[in-house]
Amino acid sequence: EPEVTQTPSHQVTQMGQEVILRCVPISNHLYFYWYRQILGQKVEFLVSFYNNEISEKSEIFDDQFSVERPDGSNFTLKIRSTKLEDSAMYFCASRRDRGGNQPQHFGDGTRLSIL
Amino acid sequence: AQSVTQPDIHITVSEGASLELRCNYSYGATPYLFWYVQSPGQGLQLLLKYFSGDTLVQGIKGFEAEFKRSQSSFNLRKPSVHWSDAAEYFCAVVSGTYKYIFGTGTRLKVLA
Repeated sequence: EPEVTQTPSHQVTQMGQEVILRCVPISNHLYFYWYRQILGQKVEFLVSFYNNEISEKSEIFDDQFSVERPDGSNFTLKIRSTKLEDSAMYFCASRRDRGGNQPQHFGDGTRLSIL
Repeated sequence: AQSVTQPDIHITVSEGASLELRCNYSYGATPYLFWYVQSPGQGLQLLLKYFSGDTLVQGIKGFEAEFKRSQSSFNLRKPSVHWSDAAEYFCAVVSGTYKYIFGTGTRLKVLA
């Protein structure tokens, strides 16, 4: 069964550094998402992306965050200047097409640790 | 605003016992509801979904959930829990651009 893959599985970065988290969604999917989960807390929506533009973003997704689909397969999340509070598990998800009944498929996540 | 509440942070059951995990949602229209399971160090795996029709939905791994509009609930059930079911369970409702709003999760512990 096709999977969403995320790399790296664990990223350790110094505060203030830029980090790029990478995701390869399922190949025929059109809608892409990033979520994060701070340790011990619930999974929170960051951003949705469709047709090469952001569809919706949360309050968390400020100017330090950006997303990109640089080619036909990758979907990236960049944090320009990381803060301690960015430490979390970041999940990428994709969905095939429109319709709220279409489930999102999640990757295994990237654990981001900011020192 | 849409929201999801999972009242139980932790639940402990004995292997072979029945299980019910509670989920309450706040949504104006007919919601699209999902249950996901997260094993340690893993991503979120879809257990089941509800969007219309039969209010009792079957999922993978022997799980089922019942949608009750009058109670704004979508509780997850399993008649007999296995040790491998120990994980964290998240209820989610679709909102906006089909993003998920998740509950805080319920961590299930299974006693041998």
